[in-house]
Amino acid sequence: QQQVKQSPQSLIVQKGGISIINCAYENTAFDYFPWYQQFPGKGPALLIAIRPDVSEKKEGRFTISFNKSAKQFSLHIMDSQPGDSATYFCAAPRGSNTGKLIFGQGTTLQVKP
Amino acid sequence: SQTIHQWPATLVQPVGSPLSLECTVEGTSNPNLYWYRQAAGRGLQLLFYSVGIGQISSEVPQNLSASRPQDRQFILSSKKLLLSDSGFYLCAWSRQGPYEQYFGPGTRLTVT
Repeated sequence: QQQVKQSPQSLIVQKGGISIINCAYENTAFDYFPWYQQFPGKGPALLIAIRPDVSEKKEGRFTISFNKSAKQFSLHIMDSQPGDSATYFCAAPRGSNTGKLIFGQGTTLQVKP
Repeated sequence: SQTIHQWPATLVQPVGSPLSLECTVEGTSNPNLYWYRQAAGRGLQLLFYSVGIGQISSEVPQNLSASRPQDRQFILSSKKLLLSDSGFYLCAWSRQGPYEQYFGPGTRLTVT
């Protein structure tokens, strides 16, 4: 069964530091990789997504890097802030043009002031 | 702009009771709709997927069912709840094809 392996499971970073979360995927029908941010008791919110005709996408302090040959992609949070403390999920397409996603198991990020 | 609603926000139900959770989407037409369950501290498990009215695909064998009576309405049901049905239920929508999914606020279900 197709999987997305996400690491680390939890991460503690000092304010101002860089948070890095990695995901590895198996074969997908489409190259489309979104990241979601979830605060306790809330639904996941789309944070940033990449469609890899490019190897990197940046939005503010958040950057996705994509390595197609290694089947890996990562989220970098620059200048991490306490407000970034949340659970982050990566995802990859599942199936053929169905719109379904398979999610990683999540990374709980704590940014210490 | 598009908006997705879920209700109720929280629900406490005894074992063996029925369940009905509702999800509606505004501001789009013919969306893909999804029901997910999230156990405490864990990832997202896809339960049901729909590409149109009356078209439901079940991802996981269980005592839950889903229906889509209208284009932008998605309902999750059970005839008899189990303790293991407790969790955070999330509805999501996307455009047709491999596009971003947008999640609702979720329903916290506790089966006692």
